Amino acid sequence: GAGVSQSPRYKVAKRGQDVALRCDPISGHVSLFWYQQALGQGPEFLTYFQNEAQLDKSGLPSDRFFAERPEGSVSTLKIQRTQQEDSAVYLCASSSRLAGGRGETQYFGPGTRLLVL
Amino acid sequence: KQEVTQIPAALSVPEGENLVLNCSFTDSAIYNLQWFRQDPGKGLTSLLLIQSSQREQTSGRLNASLDKSSGRSTLYIAASQPGDSATYLCSATGNQFYFGTGTSLTVIP
Repeated sequence: GAGVSQSPRYKVAKRGQDVALRCDPISGHVSLFWYQQALGQGPEFLTYFQNEAQLDKSGLPSDRFFAERPEGSVSTLKIQRTQQEDSAVYLCASSSRLAGGRGETQYFGPGTRLLVL
Repeated sequence: KQEVTQIPAALSVPEGENLVLNCSFTDSAIYNLQWFRQDPGKGLTSLLLIQSSQREQTSGRLNASLDKSSGRSTLYIAASQPGDSATYLCSATGNQFYFGTGTSLTVIP
């Protein structure tokens, strides 16, 4: 595809419900990132994949958050037993095949806006 | 932990004015410094990326500088236009990826 896509764009969940957020990176991009952006704040790093390997998950706020990228392309961020403080925009980004990781531009998707009631 | 600060938090200027947005970071051990633009309800669009070995990058009316030793970067926008209205975020990439809270820019026609 032309860019990074995310689905759903909006999600309303009841407190305690599990949610799954999907990211389709740019085709061929090695690196994939997830961020959480609260209202009026900058994005906060959650986790980073290089191909299917999750190289850094230090930003995940609790063990209720889980991310996977089993075939090195599409990624899913799962939040179990959602809490109101999980309400935020979840952004996915990918970077290029050639260099990946920290030295290359990250291309962002439009985000999934999660509201937990 | 790296802390990234952006000043001012909000800025309103008349069309045509030149302006400077500031970004400071506490840990100079970074791989790159990147400036993004975010429109309401949208993701981030990369504007300029400065590698740690570089001092500045230019694209059209935009110029970004990097001074690692002082932990500062600036984004200069020349001849501002109403279409430049957005939130501008800087990101310092080291062992992790850190963003500032952004500067909300409004360019008044």
